[in-house]
Amino acid sequence: DAKTTQPPSMDCAEGRAANLPCNHSTISGNEYVYWYRQIHSQGPQYIIHGLKNNETNEMASLIITEDRKSSTLILPHATLRDTAVYYCIVRVAAGGTSYGKLTFGQGTILTVHP
Amino acid sequence: DGGITQSPKYLFRKEGQNVTLSCEQNLNHDAMYWYRQDPGQGLRLIYYSQIVNDFQKGDIAEGYSVSREKKESFPLTVTSAQKNPTAFYLCASSPLGRASRLNEAFFGQGTRLTVV
Repeated sequence: DAKTTQPPSMDCAEGRAANLPCNHSTISGNEYVYWYRQIHSQGPQYIIHGLKNNETNEMASLIITEDRKSSTLILPHATLRDTAVYYCIVRVAAGGTSYGKLTFGQGTILTVHP
Repeated sequence: DGGITQSPKYLFRKEGQNVTLSCEQNLNHDAMYWYRQDPGQGLRLIYYSQIVNDFQKGDIAEGYSVSREKKESFPLTVTSAQKNPTAFYLCASSPLGRASRLNEAFFGQGTRLTVV
């Protein structure tokens, strides 16, 4: 799976949009971008994923650049409960020996302030 | 309710003893995973399994062993050969299939193992 690079920490004011970047310059054509978050001492929670089109769900939006070498997770109206570690992962969705394997990096610690 | 269950939540063991962490899922998922997390660190993959009776080593398999005798169960044994076993252990499961949405992984709440 391609390696990802994320800033170690970010701050955001409550009610504002939180934009979390991720670089994945070695991503290959059959790899998807996934985002998970982990609130302290709990298991990670799936947020969103995409291949090349921008995606939106009830939790967040995912913007993937045209060359797919980077992406941004957007939490449109951050709340205090969004304070967590956010992980960007690229992985093969099907086929190959690494099929299904999830490899986590260090993630970004997002702190939402009142 | 469907989900993935790890037990116990906290576990204490003496150094030199093997210990087995339980992970059960009733989501009918094919794939299961074990991760280790140290304070302030990301998750590191220990073992994963895509099908019953088959499993692969992850990035830090030394000192650990697993079995996958049933689809719903993937126990992890931390052996005495693991040099620094105190950590937070997370189990996950996911379906496998060509639709990417099926590859979403569900995590348990973790077991915090302390070896004294």
